[in-house]
This record gives sequence, structure tokens and C-alpha cells, in this order.
Amino acid sequence: RKEVEQDPGPFNVPEGATVAFNCTYSNSASQSFFWYRQDCRKEPKLLMSVYSSGNEDGRFTAQLNRASQYISLLIRDSKLSDSATYLCVVNEWGSNDYKLSFGAGTTVTVRA
Amino acid sequence: GAVVSQHPSRVICKSGTSVKIECRSLDFQATTMFWYRQFPKKSLMLMATSNEGSKATYEQGVEKDKFLINHASLTLSTLTVTSAHPEDSSFYICSAISPIGGYEQYFGPGTRLTVT
Repeated sequence: RKEVEQDPGPFNVPEGATVAFNCTYSNSASQSFFWYRQDCRKEPKLLMSVYSSGNEDGRFTAQLNRASQYISLLIRDSKLSDSATYLCVVNEWGSNDYKLSFGAGTTVTVRA
Repeated sequence: GAVVSQHPSRVICKSGTSVKIECRSLDFQATTMFWYRQFPKKSLMLMATSNEGSKATYEQGVEKDKFLINHASLTLSTLTVTSAHPEDSSFYICSAISPIGGYEQYFGPGTRLTVT
């Protein structure tokens, strides 16, 4: 079983719509969670960290559910520029590690 | 956010040659950097953890003699793909942990390697 699993999508939504998707992780010892955004043929860029209490950054809301071992990302009022692949990233602290496990990404396409 | 650069951004080489990729943290010191590779429509796969002043730690299945990593300073790590083969063609991305904030990883822009 993969450490981090995401629905690959694609999610095709009109401008202004709300889109949400989840990511599950298998290691209950995971301690840090992130959403990264990756545009085609580009490097991932940090979108937001995910905190236990949930957090919001503008139109983006991230939630963490430790009991069910998943995190979610919700995008409100979608813009054309939100079209990208969203990577779920999970970290488990080791003795000298800071390894990240990446999901394969969820593709979102926002259409005019 | 923190800035990480990579050079070159794109390289085409012949089978059997070696290619060196540089990763630099531009505005912070990074004792630890990471090297990933990514195939089309696949997730990033960690290849190795590069530690300044010591040997790199390679992930299972990654040949350390083929992918040479050197982290000679706090701002520079290099990945050398030796005796490259067409199956080594991939997108190679480095990242570094910024000590500012929550220890998030910041990624370089990546290097697209094509071996002919």
C-alpha cells in the first residue's frame, strides 16, 4: 500500500466553483502535512501547511483528520489560475530524518 | 519564501556520458538537501538525502555509485549521473529545508535530463 494516496482526478470545474479533494496516509506516526502545487513541467511549490486545527489561506482551506488519517484541501471561488496538480505531502520525523512522502497528485482544471 | 536554484534547467547528453546537476540555496544555509526524480504523471520519488560535510543517505534501490552526491558547502549540493543511459532520462529536482518558519522544504526549478 502506498504511503500517501490521492484521487488523481482530474477535477474539471467551472470558474467560481468550489472543489475539494482528500488525501489518505498510511503511517499514523506522520507528524507534518502539506499541500504543494505543481504546474506542468515545473517544480512543486508550497501551497500551505496543514495544522491540526485546520487552517485557511484566502480561498484555500486545509483540514486534517488524524483519526481517519486523511487531509483535505478545499478551493473556493475557483480561478483559471488554480488549474494545476495538487500534491499531498506527509512527513514523519525520524531520528535524523526529514523525509517527505508525496502523493501522486490530484489534477484540477478550472474552465472559463 | 526561500529560494533554491538548480543548474542546468535542461540537459541532453549521449548515453555513457556523465552529467552534473547543481542545487544551491540562495538566501539561506541548508545543512540538508534532498534529491528527487519524477517521471511524467508520477509522484516525486526521493533518491537521497544530502548532508553537508558527510556522505549522502540513499534510498533503497538507488545506486550510490551511479548517482554521486556531494554536499561540499552549506549552500551547494551536486548530483552527478554517471554513465547515463536513456532510462535515466527524467526530471530531477532538489530541495532544501529552510530553517525559517516551519522547516518546509523548498524546491529548485528542476533539471530535465534527456539521454539519447
